[in-house]
Amino acid sequence: QSALTQPPSASGSPGQSVTISCTGTSSDVGGYNYVSWYQQHPGKAPKLMIYEVNKRPSGVPDRFSGSKSGNTASLTVSGLQAEDEADYYCSSYAGSNNFVFGTGTKVTVL
Amino acid sequence: EVQLVESGGGSVQPGGSLRLSCAASGFTFSRYRMHWVRQVPGKGLVWVSRINSDESSTTYADSVKGRFTISRDNAKNTLYLQMNSLRAEDTAVYYCSRDVAWSFDYWGQGALVTVFS
Repeated sequence: QSALTQPPSASGSPGQSVTISCTGTSSDVGGYNYVSWYQQHPGKAPKLMIYEVNKRPSGVPDRFSGSKSGNTASLTVSGLQAEDEADYYCSSYAGSNNFVFGTGTKVTVL
Repeated sequence: EVQLVESGGGSVQPGGSLRLSCAASGFTFSRYRMHWVRQVPGKGLVWVSRINSDESSTTYADSVKGRFTISRDNAKNTLYLQMNSLRAEDTAVYYCSRDVAWSFDYWGQGALVTVFS
């Protein structure tokens, strides 16, 4: 199972928006509405930010939103804040109880 | 409060074995699918294995199939990963994670496994 493709980096100034893409295939991202997104700060465990493409767990700010079109999912962070600077990973169910993660994107707040 | 605490990490020579444990608390462990995910320091997340709530079904990434075994003891609220025939490329931080809606909603702090010659 190949990793989902994410841009290595993305950046924005405080208050701006940044969108991260996550490209897979019809066997994973395109085939199921089970795309999730994770935020990871250095030395910390990942944190779930979005599940089932566009749902936010309790406690996650509504500045974080998700969407999907075809084989590509996206995470948008609106109103960027300094604490949003982190690595972000997408994940998708890939059928037959298998899962795949994205390559990761480092978000920098300028 | 949901807590997942991994233990059992360490250093081992190639070809050796280790068993990781993940102690769960703060939720009804027996009702949830569980996963192991690994991360080479400085690199991305990689899914390793999954077990369903009653241990009736397990799946593995191709890279560990035949060498790693996931299991659980619902009476002890503990998840395990038995790792045999370890290779240098298995060096990573191993996280256990709870599955909700085919996503990973809670994670442990990770256990470092180093395979060196």
